[in-house]
Amino acid sequence: GNSVTQMEGPVTLSEEAFLTINCTYTATGYPSLFWYVQYPGEGLQLLLKATKADDKGSNKGFEATYRKETTSFHLEKGSVQVSDSAVYFCALNSGGYQKVTFGTGTKLQVIP
Amino acid sequence: ETGVTQTPRHLVMGMTNKKSLKCEQHLGHNAMYWYKQSAKKPLELMFVYNFKEQTENNSVPSRFSPECPNSSHLFLHLHTLQPEDSALYLCASSQDTLANYGYTFGSGTRLTVV
Repeated sequence: GNSVTQMEGPVTLSEEAFLTINCTYTATGYPSLFWYVQYPGEGLQLLLKATKADDKGSNKGFEATYRKETTSFHLEKGSVQVSDSAVYFCALNSGGYQKVTFGTGTKLQVIP
Repeated sequence: ETGVTQTPRHLVMGMTNKKSLKCEQHLGHNAMYWYKQSAKKPLELMFVYNFKEQTENNSVPSRFSPECPNSSHLFLHLHTLQPEDSALYLCASSQDTLANYGYTFGSGTRLTVV
């Protein structure tokens, strides 16, 4: 079956540091890949997505590249801000809602 | 109002109470979902509706009863819950059940069962 593995948190960074949150996956076929962000007290928001190999999703300074050869979709940001403190979820979709799988989330704390 | 709106934001209920959670979307989406988010556990898909018809009941106990009167509204009726049902309940929608563009989530209802 499908699975998504994320690095365990919390990840604590100083403001303006470089961010990487690792995500690897196991899936049949060619899934679409997503990153969602959940701010405190809120639901999940779609941050970015990629639908095929070598695609790069980007939004709000965050980027992730769909690497089929390493089955990875790592999230990166060049300079984090305190407002980026949230929980980040990696997810895949390999064929409709029955094949949507979420990771367990990685908490990011950015300190001034 | 745009997006997915959930009410109430917080709910405390006793084990013998009956309450309902409401979800509303104004995105023109045809598929709507209930998810349960518990601490340190992956998101759990509970129910799926497509064009108002239930297409998934993911082995959810009968004390949770969904209702979808139209494509814009989704309810979750709760009765005789257990303390372990305390969690964040998230409503989501997508254009269709393929969900190729991902989900739009509401802010959730934080449920505490006492």
